[in-house]
Amino acid sequence: GQNIDQPTEMTATEGAIVQINCTYQTSGFNGLFWYQQHAGEAPTFLSYNVLDGLEEKGRFSSFLSRSKGYSYLLLKELQMKDSASYLCAVRPEENTDKLIFGTGTRLQVFP
Amino acid sequence: DGGITQSPKYLFRKEGQNVTLSCEQNLNHDAMYWYRQDPGQGLRLIYYSQIVNDFQKGDIAEGYSVSREKKESFPLTVTSAQKNPTAFYLCASSTDRGYNSPLHFGNGTRLTVT
Repeated sequence: GQNIDQPTEMTATEGAIVQINCTYQTSGFNGLFWYQQHAGEAPTFLSYNVLDGLEEKGRFSSFLSRSKGYSYLLLKELQMKDSASYLCAVRPEENTDKLIFGTGTRLQVFP
Repeated sequence: DGGITQSPKYLFRKEGQNVTLSCEQNLNHDAMYWYRQDPGQGLRLIYYSQIVNDFQKGDIAEGYSVSREKKESFPLTVTSAQKNPTAFYLCASSTDRGYNSPLHFGNGTRLTVT
C-alpha cells in the first residue's frame, strides 16, 4: 500500500522556526514534493527532493532521507502569511507526474 | 499569464443529477489530473491524462468520467453513481517530462450535492 504520514496540526510564533515532518511508505520513489495550500485555494509548489540532503530556498528548506523514508520542511523567520496547510507528496512511479499526497499539516502562526 | 482555470468556483446540485466541472490550461502541458480533497484526507487522484484522447483511472475513479479531446481541456463529470460527491475538486497539469516537474493546480471547484 501507499502511506504518507504528517502531523495534523502545528502552531508556532511569528519569527520562530518550525519543522514539519513527513514519513512515507510507497511502492516506489521518484521524488518528494512539498506544497503550500491556503484555505480554499490551490496548492502551490514549494520544493522538490529526489536525492538525500537539504535543499534550501529562501526561508524554506526541505530535507530528504530515502533510506529512512523521511522528509521535513523547515520554515524560518515565520510570518503570519505562512499560516496554511503544508502538503507532502511522493511520486511513486517513474513514467508519470502523478502524486500521492499526505493529509497535510495545518500550521497556525501566532503573533 | 499562463495558468489553469477551473469553473465555477462553487457549484450546487441536487442528488441524482450529473454535473460537469470545467478545467482549462494554457500552459501547453501534456498531462492533466483531477484530484478530490475532503477534510482530514489527503488529495486523492480521480483520473489523469498524459496525452490527448487518452486517460487512466486514478485511485477513486468510480462514479466519475472524463474526456480529453483537446490538450487544453480536461472536464470531469460527477455522475449520480458517485456516492459522496460533495467535495473540493482540484484540477492540475504538468509537463510530464521530467522527474522534477511539479503539478500546477487550478483554484478548485467546491461542489455541494444535496
